Amino acid sequence: DTAVSQTPKYLVTQMGNDKSIKCEQNLGHDTMYWYKQDSKKFLKIMFSYNNKELIINETVPNRFSPKSPDKAHLNLHINSLELGDSAVYFCASSGGGVFSNQPQHFGDGTRLSIL
Amino acid sequence: GQQVMQIPQYQHVQEGEDFTTYCNSSTTLSNIQWYKQRPGGHPVFLIQLVKSGEVKKQKRLTFQFGEAKKNSSLHITATQTTDVGTYFCAGHNTGKLIFGQGTTLQVKP
Repeated sequence: DTAVSQTPKYLVTQMGNDKSIKCEQNLGHDTMYWYKQDSKKFLKIMFSYNNKELIINETVPNRFSPKSPDKAHLNLHINSLELGDSAVYFCASSGGGVFSNQPQHFGDGTRLSIL
Repeated sequence: GQQVMQIPQYQHVQEGEDFTTYCNSSTTLSNIQWYKQRPGGHPVFLIQLVKSGEVKKQKRLTFQFGEAKKNSSLHITATQTTDVGTYFCAGHNTGKLIFGQGTTLQVKP
């Protein structure tokens, strides 16, 4: 009965490849997010979706494309992976809208390593 | 854009000693949230402060929100090895949760 689950947990791949990370939440939340955490543990928001609609799109390279088929799922596809993409990617969700200030619930993270 | 600064970046303490991490925002915050991330884990919500000057306690943890709503602190009394992890403050700005850099706490038994 995991609240926010993301797969895979680990992803090791070659530079130039395309990969996807999936996220699902069973909390009934309207808003979902993708964060990137670098090696210094800095957490930076990448995208947020509210009810399948893109709300926040930070200055992320367009090689990163989120997709929300329904409000319980937010996937992240990354094209032409680069060394600098190595990081931990966290999916999160929160109740209310994007501006509701509700606490965020994080998934376990996907550790992406580019060789 | 808004920045949330957090100090110190690292803190090593002996078990039983106290620990404090400080958070400062470049702008007034509507609220501040605190999260804890255990090594290898994910951020977990601890608490939210909303009112100016608010103080909240959770067992040995004391959270404060400054009068001007631009700074906050987390104080842990008599640390235990289970307190190990990275503590993040985060403030809301235009729908985005802006995280501080985090303070990583190590506790020596």
